[in-house]
Amino acid sequence: GEDVEQSLFLSVREGDSSVINCTYTDSSSTYLYWYKQEPGAGLQLLTYIFSNMDMKQDQRLTVLLNKKDKHLSLRIADTQTGDSAIYFCAESINDYKLSFGAGTTVTVRA
Amino acid sequence: NAGVMQNPRHLVRRRGQEARLRCSPMKGHSHVYWYRQLPEEGLKFMVYLQKENIIDESGMPKERFSAEFPKEGPSILRIQQVVRGDSAAYFCASSPDRYQPQHFGDGTRLSIL
Repeated sequence: GEDVEQSLFLSVREGDSSVINCTYTDSSSTYLYWYKQEPGAGLQLLTYIFSNMDMKQDQRLTVLLNKKDKHLSLRIADTQTGDSAIYFCAESINDYKLSFGAGTTVTVRA
Repeated sequence: NAGVMQNPRHLVRRRGQEARLRCSPMKGHSHVYWYRQLPEEGLKFMVYLQKENIIDESGMPKERFSAEFPKEGPSILRIQQVVRGDSAAYFCASSPDRYQPQHFGDGTRLSIL
């Protein structure tokens, strides 16, 4: 089935690391994605990882992929107030059909 | 910034009216996708189009909804005889081909009175 799950809320102190977790269902997904949505805005592609990779790092962002457990995580180092947003995990079904989780609302407190 | 352009940003319709949502893909992108986001939920796939072709409409409601992507001009998502349950944010995304990451517009927020 198409069912991506992620925790709904995360509160983190400014300067700390944030870790957002996600589980997905389709083991044939070629790519897995993280998108960021700020209030009233569209989805911004943050990063993505090819399914044959275990890890991808891009500046403050680190993506870890455990294919065996179908688990994906996004770590944001040195979290800033501008990182407050909703973060969506998505898997690609048949290469193009994105299946999204319900989103994790990240709140950064001073 | 030639990103994915959607208009209008906000659209208010009365029950029974028609809603037309437009999407211009990023330059160089010929693949367009429509998603719907209900309040407090993630996005749900509706339809995938290439120029003049509907590739996958498995997420579209069978009645009242249609989509097109003509040879010239933007992609259009059309909702006829709108009902309250159609109230949602509708997002368009585009990519250069079906394998590349999709880039999203800012969405059209449809409200039905």
